[in-house]
Amino acid sequence: AQRVTQPEKLLSVFKGAPVELKCNYSYSGSPELFWYVQYSRQRLQLLLRHISRESIKGFTADLNKGETSFHLKKPFAQEEDSAMYYCALSGQGGSEKLVFGKGTKLTVNP
Amino acid sequence: DTGVSQNPRHKITKRGQNVTFRCDPISEHNRLYWYRQTLGQGPEFLTYFQNEAQLEKSRLLSDRFSAERPKGSFSTLEIQRTEQGDSAMYLCASSLRASQETQYFGPGTRLLVL
Repeated sequence: AQRVTQPEKLLSVFKGAPVELKCNYSYSGSPELFWYVQYSRQRLQLLLRHISRESIKGFTADLNKGETSFHLKKPFAQEEDSAMYYCALSGQGGSEKLVFGKGTKLTVNP
Repeated sequence: DTGVSQNPRHKITKRGQNVTFRCDPISEHNRLYWYRQTLGQGPEFLTYFQNEAQLEKSRLLSDRFSAERPKGSFSTLEIQRTEQGDSAMYLCASSLRASQETQYFGPGTRLLVL
């Protein structure tokens, strides 16, 4: 079964502190992993995906197939990073529908 | 704005009524997805179209739900005989046909069934 687990519902850090949002997945095969972000009163938007291996807004995420994890990291959090973050996976071929975790609400305090 | 649009943005209805939502994808996007999001949960897949063909439906999509994409452009999602459990945010997303293309989401339609 396809499943994405985000163990932290809420995460609060201070500005300038490192932040890590955890994501673990279950999938038989080679999934594509994504992080989507939703800022206040905005639509869901792609933050990054593992296949592109790029850093967006200072965030990075490494796919660890052994631990089936795709944690999102940023060395120095900013107040504008406060948002809802969703980890998601899709299979290859077929509909490529997204399977989402429940999300982590990140608050970066001044 | 050339992004995905959804109408209406909010809908309040009484239990037992029918409702219809519309999604306009990004122009030239062949794939269109419907998701549902309830409070405290991530979006859950409902159904998927490639052009006008509905190719996959989730078990979440009971027989009270029907979706269409008649000309391969906009799509509608209809819920018949609404129930309080249908209250949720209904999200639409679109992507190009090529494999592993990014899904772009609309703002959603928030449904409240009284």
